[in-house]
Amino acid sequence: EDQVTQSPEALRLQEGESSSLNCSYTVSGLRGLFWYRQDPGKGPEFLFTLYSAGEEKEKERLKATLTKKESFLHITAPKPEDSATYLCASRGGADGLTFGKGTHLIIQP
Amino acid sequence: GAGVSQTPSNKVTEKGKYVELRCDPISGHTALYWYRQSLGQGPEFLIYFQGTGAADDSGLPNDRFFAVRPEGSVSTLKIQRTERGDSAVYLCASSLFWGSDTQYFGPGTRLTVL
Repeated sequence: EDQVTQSPEALRLQEGESSSLNCSYTVSGLRGLFWYRQDPGKGPEFLFTLYSAGEEKEKERLKATLTKKESFLHITAPKPEDSATYLCASRGGADGLTFGKGTHLIIQP
Repeated sequence: GAGVSQTPSNKVTEKGKYVELRCDPISGHTALYWYRQSLGQGPEFLIYFQGTGAADDSGLPNDRFFAVRPEGSVSTLKIQRTERGDSAVYLCASSLFWGSDTQYFGPGTRLTVL
C-alpha cells in the first residue's frame, strides 16, 4: 500500500526566512510525485510533478526536488502570500493519488 | 468555465437522508476523480472515471456511496442513508486523459451531516 508522510505538520517562518518541507513516500512503481498548494476553503492547486530521483523543478520562490525515498519543497525568501497548506501526493499502481496530511505553512510579515 | 466546478458549495443534511453532489470537469478532460478530505487530513481517493465508466471505485468506503458519469462529462456522487461520519469536503478533479499527470481540482463541496 502506498504511503506518504509529510513533516513538519506546521511551520511558522518570518518573511524572508528560507526553509524546506519534507515528503517521505513508499510507493510501488512511482509514476509521479506531486506537490499541491491548498488555501483555506479551496481545492488543491497544482504546483509540480517529479518523476525520477535527481529531478528538480522551480516556480518563483519554490523548488521541488526528488530522491528515491523523499521529496523536498524548498521555499526561498518567502512572503506572507506563500502561507498555505502544502500537500504532497504520489501516484503508483493505482489510478488515484495518495496524499500526505500536508504541512501548514505560516509566513509572518 | 475555465476550471472544475462543483455544486453545491455547501450541503447540510440530516442523518439518514440522501444527497447528490455534482462535478463539472474542465471541458475536454476525459478522466474524472472524486476525493474526500476530512479536517486536518489530505484528500483520500474515492473513484475514478475514464469516459462514462467507473474504471476504479476501490476507494468508495461502502455501498452507500455511488457515482455516475452518464455522458462522459458531468459526474454526480450519490450518498444514501447519510451518517455523521460522512461529513467532509468532497473534491472533484479532472485530467486530460488517463495517465495524464496533472489533476486539476475543483473548490469542493462541504457536506455536513447533522
